[in-house]
Amino acid sequence: SAVISQKPSRDICQRGTSLTIQCQVDSQVTMMFWYRQQPGQSLTLIATANQGSEATYESGFVIDKFPISRPNLTFSTLTVSNMSPEDSSIYLCSVEEAWEQYFGPGTRLTVT
Amino acid sequence: GENVEQHPSTLSVQEGDSAVIKCTYSDSASNYFPWYKQELGKRPQLIIDIRSNVGEKKDQRIAVTLNKTAKHFSLHITETQPEDSAVYFCAAGASYDKVIFGPGTSLSVIP
Repeated sequence: SAVISQKPSRDICQRGTSLTIQCQVDSQVTMMFWYRQQPGQSLTLIATANQGSEATYESGFVIDKFPISRPNLTFSTLTVSNMSPEDSSIYLCSVEEAWEQYFGPGTRLTVT
Repeated sequence: GENVEQHPSTLSVQEGDSAVIKCTYSDSASNYFPWYKQELGKRPQLIIDIRSNVGEKKDQRIAVTLNKTAKHFSLHITETQPEDSAVYFCAAGASYDKVIFGPGTSLSVIP
């Protein structure tokens, strides 16, 4: 399966600031996804990011808060903007490969 | 959109016994049903999946069954071991597209 890395692995941020999370894949993939996992909860899809097109956001998530870039087939970024403590969560990227979905290690974000 | 329910939320079994986790989904267009295992502090790992053209799939101690008519699918773990202790998530979606996750089942295997 694809090897997926994320940066940073964790961060502590002040409210009102923004953090950009990077996701790198070792092979070219068409579909990439960004999920949020709040403590003790399930995975909630934020958006689908395909190269060459605007990201598609799920209900409850908006581009102004979570802008996404997908400049090529191996890389994507998710920015968490104007953060509040409610944004404290684990953010995971995921890729679809050979009709299966695999996850990156996640970025643990704490907003103080 | 798709909605996935999962039961039970917690499950405790004795080592060697079987564990069964059940999920239901709402969107009849869904045709891909993966199961993920997430150990504490780690990423979700795909353990098995099934597609709508198959009713049952087995991989060693793990099996998944699918009933498309009733819109439910189940994970069966036999001969459970302490290392099976984790949170298990079912998901549903369409191939080549997003999947929606259930709320998870915390499985504890007691030695």
